[in-house]
Amino acid sequence: ETGVTQTPRHLVMGMTNKKSLKCEQHLGHNAMYWYKQSAKKPLELMFVYSLEERVENNSVPSRFSPECPNSSHLFLHLHTLQPEDSALYLCASSQDGSGSSYEQYFGPGTRLTVT
Amino acid sequence: GQNIDQPTEMTATEGAIVQINCTYQTSGFNGLFWYQQHAGEAPTFLSYNVLDGLEEKGRFSSFLSRSKGYSYLLLKELQMKDSASYLCAVLNQAGTALIFGKGTTLSVSS
Repeated sequence: ETGVTQTPRHLVMGMTNKKSLKCEQHLGHNAMYWYKQSAKKPLELMFVYSLEERVENNSVPSRFSPECPNSSHLFLHLHTLQPEDSALYLCASSQDGSGSSYEQYFGPGTRLTVT
Repeated sequence: GQNIDQPTEMTATEGAIVQINCTYQTSGFNGLFWYQQHAGEAPTFLSYNVLDGLEEKGRFSSFLSRSKGYSYLLLKELQMKDSASYLCAVLNQAGTALIFGKGTTLSVSS
């Protein structure tokens, strides 16, 4: 238990569906992240929020839409996804600052399958 | 560009020592992390190096040489539970993003 929770843990959706992934951190951190993890590929950073403002957007298609209503919650809204978007989506949080306070704590992930 | 290289797979036996290497070429550098990820689980933090040298933490040690763009993770007295994927990641200059390698899958046998 890392203090970062994600729901749902598994999700199967059609290409025309709209769904949302939720992440919550109970660590009092200021920064939150979305990553995509596909088989045989590195963890890919998607979005970074610091103090509820988006500070990184790594050329992610617009069918992925993040939302950070407060420093404890992060959402990833999904619509009209493609089968190649099937992957493990990981949320992480960290305390802004220097040195090892950049350490990121990961949630268990949502296994997404797009049919 | 950003490039982080580490071996895809390694095997070792219980009680042995294994060294997992990582080389990086990134446009900025604000430290290097090692994470452990068991199958089906979240990555968990192992170590952070920002200065050259060796950091020791129990059975695990991590080394960094910034001039060579090189790090290694050393695991001693291997146990079966150490079978996992080990991820090398570089923190960008702004401290806002981790750039990950593909990970090294370590299999420990008895």
